Formats: sequence, structure tokens, C-alpha cells
Amino acid sequence: GENVEQHPSTLSVQEGDSAVIKCTYSDSASNYFPWYKQELGKRPQLIIDIRSNVGEKKDQRIAVTLNKTAKHFSLHITETQPEDSAVYFCAASRGGTASKLTFGTGTRLQVTL
Amino acid sequence: NAGVTQTPKFQVLKTGQSMTLQCAQDMNHNSMYWYRQDPGMGLRLIYYSASEGTTDKGEVPNGYNVSRLNKREFSLRLESAAPSQTSVYFCASKPNDSYEQYFGPGTRLTVT
Repeated sequence: GENVEQHPSTLSVQEGDSAVIKCTYSDSASNYFPWYKQELGKRPQLIIDIRSNVGEKKDQRIAVTLNKTAKHFSLHITETQPEDSAVYFCAASRGGTASKLTFGTGTRLQVTL
Repeated sequence: NAGVTQTPKFQVLKTGQSMTLQCAQDMNHNSMYWYRQDPGMGLRLIYYSASEGTTDKGEVPNGYNVSRLNKREFSLRLESAAPSQTSVYFCASKPNDSYEQYFGPGTRLTVT
């Protein structure tokens, strides 16, 4: 089955700096790669996703890049703010009707003032 | 729309007790999922249902059973709870025309 590895497990940045979180996946048939943000005690919420036919996607301060050949994808957050502090999870899926997700182990991002 | 709802929010069980976690969605989604979340391990898929009347095992199904009661509801049952099942359980749903999964608020289960 699919295996998703995520690094780093913790990341501390100063407000205004950029943050980068990286994931690798093992299943070459995976074609959907979402990123979820989870605040303490809350449910995971989708912040951005990318399909395998696209190399990069941006949404304001957030961007995701995908390298299918190397089987890795990354989340980039620019101009970080204290409200970006949370745990971020990457995931991979083959898509389809059921679209089962395999998650990475998470990155705890702390944005300090 | 309430989205995805889960009951109960918290539960404490003794080893060997049974219970059912309830999940419902009002978005007319076809697919539903049960995950467990343990510290340092992300979310792991327990069971899923691609449509009403079908269920399939995920990555960690042992010790659990599920029922897709109708299109709205997908329940998770622990027949004989074990301390290793202490976790936060999330239900999610997904429409057929999208890959995005929508999560419920979670159930925090402790087995002593």
C-alpha cells in the first residue's frame, strides 16, 4: 500500500518568515495530494490540494509543489502569521470513487513573534 | 447544513466493554470514512464506505466493525474495547464529484 513520509516533525519560524514542509510518497499511481491544517482540539481542514497533472498551485500565501518523478510534494507558507501555528498533514490518494487517503505523520508549526 | 456530526464527543470505557460511535452527514455525500488519530502517527484509515450498502477495510480494521445504515449514517463499533483503542476518532465524508474529504469534530475515546 501507499506510504507517506513527512518532514520535519516540528518547525519553528519567526513571524514573517517562510515555512516549508516536505512529503514523499511510495505509490506511483497516487494522483491527489491534499494538505490539511489541524488546530489543537479541532478537526483537520483542507487548506490546499494538487492533482498529479499540475506541478504547482498557489492560494494567497500558501503554495504546493509536486514532483511526480521524485514522488515528493511540498507545502510552502510565506509571510507566516501567528494564526498559522497548527499541525499540518500531507496525504496521498489514488483518487477514484472511494479516494482513500494515506496521511503523513504531521508537522507541528510554531510561528513566534 | 450541519456538515459531518459525530456522537459522542468524549467517552471512557473499561476494557472489554462495547460501544458504537455515530457519524452522520447532511451533504448527500456518497463516500464515508472512519479514521483514528494517535500522537505522532497522523490519521489512519479504519474502514470506509464508497457508497450506501458497501464497506471496506482500511489500514487498521482489527477490533472494529462498521455499518453504513443509509446514505447519511456510518457507525463504528468496538465489540470488546482494549486500551490500544484509546484514540481520537474522526469520521469524514466525500462527494462523488470531488476528492475533498470533510471531517467531523471527532470523538475522544479512552479505554482503561
